Amino acid sequence: ETGVTQSPTHLIKTRGQQVTLRCSSQSGHNTVSWYQQALGQGPQFIFQYYREEENGRGNFPPRFSGLQFPNYSSELNVNALELDDSALYLCASKRTGGDFEQFFGPGTRLTVL
Amino acid sequence: SQELEQSPQSLIVQEGKNLTINCTSSKTLYGLYWYKQKYGEGLIFLMMLQKGGEEKSHEKITAKLDEKKQQSSLHITASQPSHAGIYLCGAETSGSRLTFGEGTQLTVNP
Repeated sequence: ETGVTQSPTHLIKTRGQQVTLRCSSQSGHNTVSWYQQALGQGPQFIFQYYREEENGRGNFPPRFSGLQFPNYSSELNVNALELDDSALYLCASKRTGGDFEQFFGPGTRLTVL
Repeated sequence: SQELEQSPQSLIVQEGKNLTINCTSSKTLYGLYWYKQKYGEGLIFLMMLQKGGEEKSHEKITAKLDEKKQQSSLHITASQPSHAGIYLCGAETSGSRLTFGEGTQLTVNP
């Protein structure tokens, strides 16, 4: 148990739709990151939030957006879904400052038809 | 940008055998994470290495970071079917973001 939870577990959407994925991190973990993992590949960094502000972004278009809330929960929103968005979406949280491990949630499997 | 190369891509061993997975970086590693992943599931944290020459062990798994901090290895002693899964190395870059290798698929046959 990492203390990081994600919902929903699985999701099926059609092309063009919008989706919101949720993550709840451990108390005290004020940094949350989101990753996309396509089948057979390593996770790719989407973006990171620290104290409710975006604090770094990977090579993903603006239709990928996020929010972080004061209670350590966060959201990943994807607009105008494309077939290639089908992947496992992972969130990871850590305590900023010092050498702390990053803990991952179980992921949300998104399928875009 | 930093790139990580893992080898081998896949590994099939007989239960009880030892094995090693390697992770090589194109740049100096300042934080190297090892994770295990069951197919389609989240990542399970194994170990984090930061100092050149550092070595950490947990149960039958040992991870090392070389002195030059550009290569790490994960060694499993006396493998068991429970060790099967995908092993991922991740390098910590700016702002705590992780860059991952492609992963090594480990199969342990009873």
